[in-house]
Parts: sequence; C-alpha cells; structure tokens
Amino acid sequence: DAKTTQPPSMDCAEGRAANLPCNHSTISGNEYVYWYRQIHSQGPQYIIHGLKNNETNEMASLIITEDRKSSTLILPHATLRDTAVYYCIGPGAGNTGKLIFGQGTTLQVKP
Amino acid sequence: DTAVSQTPKYLVTQMGNDKSIKCEQNLGHDTMYWYKQDSKKFLKIMFSYNNKELIINETVPNRFSPKSPDKAHLNLHINSLELGDSAVYFCASSQGRGGPPQETQYFGPGTRLLVL
Repeated sequence: DAKTTQPPSMDCAEGRAANLPCNHSTISGNEYVYWYRQIHSQGPQYIIHGLKNNETNEMASLIITEDRKSSTLILPHATLRDTAVYYCIGPGAGNTGKLIFGQGTTLQVKP
Repeated sequence: DTAVSQTPKYLVTQMGNDKSIKCEQNLGHDTMYWYKQDSKKFLKIMFSYNNKELIINETVPNRFSPKSPDKAHLNLHINSLELGDSAVYFCASSQGRGGPPQETQYFGPGTRLLVL
C-alpha cells in the first residue's frame, strides 16, 4: 500500500492560495495519487487525482514532482467553505479500489 | 436528488443488539463500499461489492455482514453490537471496480452509530 504523509494542520487567509503538501515516496509506477476532502460531519468529497502530469479542474490544481515522491494540492483562492480535512491518498496494492486514508491535513481558512 | 443515501442518519442502540444500516445509490454505479470512521477520525475501508460480488473484505469481525440485493443497494448488518462499534459508517459508490485510474468514489452522508 502506498503510504502518504501530510502535515496535520495548516492555516490560510481567505482569498489566498492554499498549498497542501503530501509525501508518497513508496508509491509505485502505476499508482495514482488522489485527493479527497471532508468538511465537518459530511462524507468525503473527491477533489482531483493524477499520475505523472500536473492536473487542474474546477476545484483545484495538483502538482506532482518528477520523481513522483510528493505532490501539492493547490486551492487557488481559498474561501471559508474550503475549511476541511484534506486527504492525500495512495490506493491499495494493485489499484483495487481500496482508498487508504491517512490522518489528512486540517485546513483552516481564516477571514 | 441525493446520489448516495444512507438510513438511518443516527442510530443509538444497546450492546448486544443486532442492527442494519442501508445504503442506496442512484448513480448507476457498479461498485459500492462501506467505510468506518472511528472517534479519532480514521477512515478505513471495510467492504466493497461490484455487481453484487464481494471484491474487498478487510479484516473486519464476522459480526459485520454486508449484503447487496442489487447493484444499487449495499446494506450492512451488525450482530451483537459492541461499544467499539460506535463510529460513523460511510457508504460510497464508484462507476467501476478500480484499476488505473481509480474511479472517483462518491460518499454518502454517513450513519452515526452509538452503542451504549
């Protein structure tokens, strides 16, 4: 299983970019990195995923290092509603559909 | 319309009882999952079914038995409830059964189980 390491918490000013780092040094060549978030008391919500190239969608951007050992999730203009726990996830062995959730990063967006 | 729904939202029960949690998805997905989130907020997969076939079965006590009557429903039955079963249980679904790239999983709102 691809283990991931994230800082336990981060603060960000409203309107500023939030950059959430993740280390996944044990990820194998064909395993994707996924980001989900969990807003208080709700079910987790998919944000983005990537393999080698940087990715962008309407929610966020994902920057993956060339060696694939780490990545950064970028919320370009954080709002108070982005306050949540953000999970960087490596899938289970063989991409079986098993998402391995770690402790995640609690992002607090402040006015 | 709710994509993934769970009932009940809250469940308070006594130790030793048997209870069921129901999950339904209207997304037309083939795969459904059960996750458990404990008091420390760790979210861990328990089971997954693809078209009514069990494909992931983590190390879960056999008091927990998932049942999938059809691919839109995945229920979780728990026998002889224990204090340690208190947690939030999330159901999720995805289009496929995994494999690169992993299909996005859509989660339900959770069922908060409290065992007294």
